[in-house]
Amino acid sequence: DAGVTQSPTHLIKTRGQQVTLRCSPKSGHDTVSWYQQALGQGPQFIFQYYEEEERQRGNFPDRFSGHQFPNYSSELNVNALLLGDSALYLCASSSWTGFPYEQYFGPGTRLTVT
Amino acid sequence: DQQVKQNSPSLSVQEGRISILNCDYTNSMFDYFLWYKKYPAEGPTFLISISSIKDKNEDGRFTVFLNKSAKHLSLHIVPSQPGDSAVYFCAATQGGSEKLVFGKGTKLTVNP
Repeated sequence: DAGVTQSPTHLIKTRGQQVTLRCSPKSGHDTVSWYQQALGQGPQFIFQYYEEEERQRGNFPDRFSGHQFPNYSSELNVNALLLGDSALYLCASSSWTGFPYEQYFGPGTRLTVT
Repeated sequence: DQQVKQNSPSLSVQEGRISILNCDYTNSMFDYFLWYKKYPAEGPTFLISISSIKDKNEDGRFTVFLNKSAKHLSLHIVPSQPGDSAVYFCAATQGGSEKLVFGKGTKLTVNP
């Protein structure tokens, strides 16, 4: 049973560019959340998708957007990259009908903005 | 504004002894608390949780204690094993939301 998978593993981008990160949830899960973890910090909630719609959003600017597909996989898009966007981006999945707090995390995508 | 605080960046204990990881929170609306463990190059893994209607929850070697009046929770690991060496994150949420608010983490090292 595959857990949460994320791609790519690492990514290097230049300031001002745009980036797309991808996530496939754990089998049976229908809800995907994205977190940003800066160096030395805990993960910070970006947003959550369920039924292809953004359900909750954290304190992140509109440069951060997402999408969920009918197969429940998800993308995180970041426009106009800033140096401060360098971080580990974590995807977490859960089941809306299951235990709501038990989110399963992927290994993350390490984004470096130069 | 850090709503969940883990004031000890690191903790070192001997194998077989007790590990106690602490977490404080400021938002009195939080009603559910979780602990996650994270190994390098892996995502956080759910460990144990507690609802605000309880003051203790046990799962094998792991016990979480909640003191609501002090807005404090702690994770006890007994006995500690070298495989427990990881970064431990405290997280909180409210009102059934899946938006987790994390602390900065505590790096636990269990020495053989």
